[in-house]
Amino acid sequence: GAVVSQHPSRVICKSGTSVKIECRSLDFQATTMFWYRQFPKQSLMLMATSNEGSKATYEQGVEKDKFLINHASLTLSTLTVTSAHPEDSSFYICSGVVTEAFFGQGTRLTVV
Amino acid sequence: AQRVTQPEKLLSVFKGAPVELKCNYSYSGSPELFWYVQYSRQRLQLLLRHISRESIKGFTADLNKGETSFHLKKPFAQEEDSAMYYCALSNSGGSYIPTFGRGTSLIVHP
Repeated sequence: GAVVSQHPSRVICKSGTSVKIECRSLDFQATTMFWYRQFPKQSLMLMATSNEGSKATYEQGVEKDKFLINHASLTLSTLTVTSAHPEDSSFYICSGVVTEAFFGQGTRLTVV
Repeated sequence: AQRVTQPEKLLSVFKGAPVELKCNYSYSGSPELFWYVQYSRQRLQLLLRHISRESIKGFTADLNKGETSFHLKKPFAQEEDSAMYYCALSNSGGSYIPTFGRGTSLIVHP
Protein backbone atom coordinates (compact mmCIF):
# COMPACT_ATOMS: atom_id res chain seq x y z
CA GLY A 1 0.00 0.00 0.00
CA ALA A 2 0.89 3.66 -0.18
CA VAL A 3 3.12 5.18 2.46
CA VAL A 4 2.74 8.45 4.28
CA SER A 5 5.70 9.64 6.30
CA GLN A 6 5.23 12.18 9.05
CA HIS A 7 8.04 14.02 10.80
CA PRO A 8 8.88 14.55 13.58
CA SER A 9 7.28 11.76 15.54
CA ARG A 10 7.72 13.63 18.78
CA VAL A 11 8.49 17.24 19.61
CA ILE A 12 8.65 19.30 22.78
CA CYS A 13 8.60 23.04 22.46
CA LYS A 14 8.35 26.06 24.70
CA SER A 15 5.16 28.01 24.99
CA GLY A 16 5.06 30.82 22.44
CA THR A 17 7.25 29.14 19.85
CA SER A 18 6.19 27.63 16.54
CA VAL A 19 6.47 24.03 15.43
CA LYS A 20 6.36 22.64 11.92
CA ILE A 21 5.15 19.13 11.16
CA GLU A 22 5.82 17.57 7.77
CA CYS A 23 3.72 15.02 5.97
CA ARG A 24 5.06 13.33 2.86
CA SER A 25 3.45 10.88 0.49
CA LEU A 26 6.34 8.63 -0.47
CA ASP A 27 4.98 6.64 -3.38
CA PHE A 28 1.93 8.48 -4.58
CA GLN A 29 0.90 12.00 -5.39
CA ALA A 30 -1.53 13.54 -2.98
CA THR A 31 -3.41 16.55 -4.26
CA THR A 32 -5.35 16.43 -1.02
CA MET A 33 -4.13 15.59 2.43
CA PHE A 34 -5.93 15.70 5.74
CA TRP A 35 -4.76 16.85 9.14
CA TYR A 36 -6.28 15.38 12.27
CA ARG A 37 -5.93 15.84 15.96
CA GLN A 38 -6.36 12.81 18.15
CA PHE A 39 -7.10 12.92 21.84
CA PRO A 40 -6.32 9.97 24.10
CA LYS A 41 -8.71 7.09 23.49
CA GLN A 42 -10.87 9.35 21.40
CA SER A 43 -11.72 9.94 17.84
CA LEU A 44 -9.90 11.71 15.10
CA MET A 45 -10.87 15.32 14.86
CA LEU A 46 -10.46 16.59 11.34
CA MET A 47 -8.73 19.94 11.51
CA ALA A 48 -8.29 20.84 7.88
CA THR A 49 -8.06 19.62 4.35
CA SER A 50 -4.84 20.54 2.63
CA ASN A 51 -5.07 21.20 -1.10
CA GLU A 52 -2.01 21.28 -3.33
CA GLY A 53 -1.48 24.70 -4.82
CA SER A 54 -4.38 26.36 -3.05
CA LYS A 55 -5.59 27.36 0.38
CA ALA A 56 -6.45 24.79 2.96
CA THR A 57 -10.02 24.25 4.05
CA TYR A 58 -10.40 24.46 7.81
CA GLU A 59 -13.07 22.82 9.90
CA GLN A 60 -15.30 24.93 12.07
CA GLY A 61 -13.61 26.02 15.26
CA VAL A 62 -10.06 25.51 13.98
CA GLU A 63 -8.05 28.73 13.88
CA LYS A 64 -6.42 29.03 10.50
CA ASP A 65 -3.96 31.64 11.74
CA LYS A 66 -2.80 29.33 14.46
CA PHE A 67 -2.58 26.17 12.43
CA LEU A 68 -0.91 27.17 9.19
CA ILE A 69 -1.06 24.63 6.40
CA ASN A 70 1.07 24.67 3.30
CA HIS A 71 0.77 22.17 0.47
CA ALA A 72 3.35 23.37 -2.00
CA SER A 73 3.93 20.10 -3.83
CA LEU A 74 2.08 16.91 -4.62
CA THR A 75 4.07 15.00 -2.04
CA LEU A 76 4.44 17.40 0.86
CA SER A 77 2.04 19.12 3.20
CA THR A 78 3.13 20.95 6.34
CA LEU A 79 1.27 21.99 9.45
CA THR A 80 2.77 24.78 11.52
CA VAL A 81 1.45 25.35 15.00
CA THR A 82 2.18 29.00 15.64
CA SER A 83 2.65 30.53 19.08
CA ALA A 84 2.02 27.17 20.64
CA HIS A 85 0.42 26.92 24.07
CA PRO A 86 0.08 23.96 26.44
CA GLU A 87 -3.50 23.39 25.28
CA ASP A 88 -2.12 22.68 21.80
CA SER A 89 -0.36 19.63 23.18
CA SER A 90 -1.83 16.68 21.35
CA PHE A 91 -1.26 13.95 18.80
CA TYR A 92 -1.44 15.23 15.24
CA ILE A 93 -1.95 12.86 12.32
CA CYS A 94 -1.91 13.46 8.59
CA SER A 95 -3.30 11.26 5.87
CA GLY A 96 -3.39 11.03 2.13
CA VAL A 97 -6.14 9.30 0.25
CA VAL A 98 -5.92 7.15 -2.84
CA THR A 99 -8.79 4.67 -2.77
CA GLU A 100 -8.43 4.45 1.01
CA ALA A 101 -6.81 6.65 3.62
CA PHE A 102 -3.13 6.14 4.39
CA PHE A 103 -1.94 7.64 7.63
CA GLY A 104 1.29 9.05 8.88
CA GLN A 105 2.68 7.71 12.11
CA GLY A 106 1.59 10.82 13.95
CA THR A 107 3.39 13.58 15.84
CA ARG A 108 3.21 13.91 19.60
CA LEU A 109 3.44 17.61 20.38
CA THR A 110 4.12 18.70 23.94
CA VAL A 111 4.15 22.38 24.71
CA VAL A 112 5.81 23.27 28.00
CA ALA B 1 -24.29 15.62 5.37
CA GLN B 2 -22.55 12.35 5.99
CA ARG B 3 -22.18 11.00 9.49
CA VAL B 4 -20.77 7.88 11.10
CA THR B 5 -21.93 6.75 14.52
CA GLN B 6 -20.13 4.28 16.70
CA PRO B 7 -22.29 4.00 19.80
CA GLU B 8 -19.79 2.16 21.96
CA LYS B 9 -16.76 4.00 23.22
CA LEU B 10 -15.41 0.89 24.89
CA LEU B 11 -16.03 -2.79 24.36
CA SER B 12 -14.54 -5.30 26.74
CA VAL B 13 -14.67 -9.06 26.11
CA PHE B 14 -12.84 -12.19 27.10
CA LYS B 15 -10.64 -14.17 24.76
CA GLY B 16 -12.66 -16.55 22.65
CA ALA B 17 -15.88 -14.60 22.97
CA PRO B 18 -17.66 -13.18 19.93
CA VAL B 19 -17.28 -9.50 19.31
CA GLU B 20 -19.36 -7.02 17.38
CA LEU B 21 -18.40 -3.38 16.97
CA LYS B 22 -21.35 -1.35 15.82
CA CYS B 23 -21.32 1.28 13.13
CA ASN B 24 -24.24 3.17 11.65
CA TYR B 25 -24.03 5.79 8.99
CA SER B 26 -26.08 8.43 7.28
CA TYR B 27 -25.39 9.40 3.72
CA SER B 28 -27.65 10.42 0.91
CA GLY B 29 -25.71 8.78 -1.89
CA SER B 30 -23.97 5.47 -2.36
CA PRO B 31 -21.26 5.22 0.27
CA GLU B 32 -18.10 3.24 0.62
CA LEU B 33 -17.58 1.93 4.13
CA PHE B 34 -14.31 1.09 5.83
CA TRP B 35 -12.98 -0.14 9.13
CA TYR B 36 -9.62 1.22 10.27
CA VAL B 37 -7.65 -0.10 13.22
CA GLN B 38 -5.01 1.43 15.43
CA TYR B 39 -2.97 -0.97 17.54
CA SER B 40 -1.00 0.34 20.47
CA ARG B 41 1.93 2.47 19.34
CA GLN B 42 1.15 1.91 15.66
CA ARG B 43 -0.35 4.08 12.99
CA LEU B 44 -3.90 3.86 11.81
CA GLN B 45 -4.33 1.35 9.04
CA LEU B 46 -7.08 -0.06 6.95
CA LEU B 47 -8.61 -3.26 8.27
CA LEU B 48 -11.23 -3.89 5.64
CA ARG B 49 -13.59 -2.23 3.21
CA HIS B 50 -17.05 -3.32 2.23
CA ILE B 51 -16.45 -3.55 -1.49
CA SER B 52 -13.76 -6.18 -1.10
CA ARG B 53 -16.05 -8.48 0.91
CA GLU B 54 -13.10 -10.22 2.51
CA SER B 55 -12.26 -11.43 5.97
CA ILE B 56 -9.18 -9.87 7.52
CA LYS B 57 -7.71 -11.34 10.72
CA GLY B 58 -11.00 -13.15 11.18
CA PHE B 59 -13.03 -9.95 11.03
CA THR B 60 -15.93 -9.46 8.65
CA ALA B 61 -18.33 -6.59 8.07
CA ASP B 62 -21.46 -6.57 5.99
CA LEU B 63 -22.99 -3.44 4.61
CA ASN B 64 -26.70 -3.35 5.40
CA LYS B 65 -28.20 -0.54 3.41
CA GLY B 66 -31.64 -1.05 4.88
CA GLU B 67 -30.36 -0.51 8.40
CA THR B 68 -27.55 1.79 7.26
CA SER B 69 -25.11 -0.26 9.27
CA PHE B 70 -21.65 -1.71 8.81
CA HIS B 71 -20.98 -3.66 11.97
CA LEU B 72 -17.61 -5.35 12.44
CA LYS B 73 -17.73 -8.92 13.70
CA LYS B 74 -15.40 -11.66 14.79
CA PRO B 75 -16.61 -14.98 16.17
CA PHE B 76 -13.69 -15.59 18.55
CA ALA B 77 -11.79 -12.60 19.86
CA GLN B 78 -8.05 -12.82 20.47
CA GLU B 79 -5.92 -10.73 22.83
CA GLU B 80 -4.05 -9.26 19.88
CA ASP B 81 -7.33 -7.80 18.62
CA SER B 82 -7.18 -5.23 21.41
CA ALA B 83 -7.02 -1.89 19.62
CA MET B 84 -8.93 1.20 18.66
CA TYR B 85 -11.34 0.66 15.78
CA TYR B 86 -12.72 3.39 13.57
CA CYS B 87 -15.57 3.06 11.14
CA ALA B 88 -15.33 5.41 8.18
CA LEU B 89 -17.40 6.44 5.23
CA SER B 90 -16.34 7.89 1.92
CA ASN B 91 -18.41 9.17 -0.92
CA SER B 92 -18.11 6.83 -3.85
CA GLY B 93 -17.97 9.63 -6.36
CA GLY B 94 -14.21 9.44 -6.61
CA SER B 95 -12.93 12.02 -4.16
CA TYR B 96 -12.75 9.56 -1.26
CA ILE B 97 -12.97 12.18 1.47
CA PRO B 98 -13.43 10.09 4.60
CA THR B 99 -15.67 10.73 7.56
CA PHE B 100 -14.71 8.86 10.70
CA GLY B 101 -16.72 7.66 13.64
CA ARG B 102 -15.49 8.47 17.12
CA GLY B 103 -13.88 5.08 17.51
CA THR B 104 -14.42 2.06 19.74
CA SER B 105 -11.71 0.79 22.02
CA LEU B 106 -11.75 -3.00 22.05
CA ILE B 107 -10.12 -4.73 24.99
CA VAL B 108 -9.80 -8.50 24.91
CA HIS B 109 -9.00 -10.01 28.28
CA PRO B 110 -7.07 -13.28 28.62
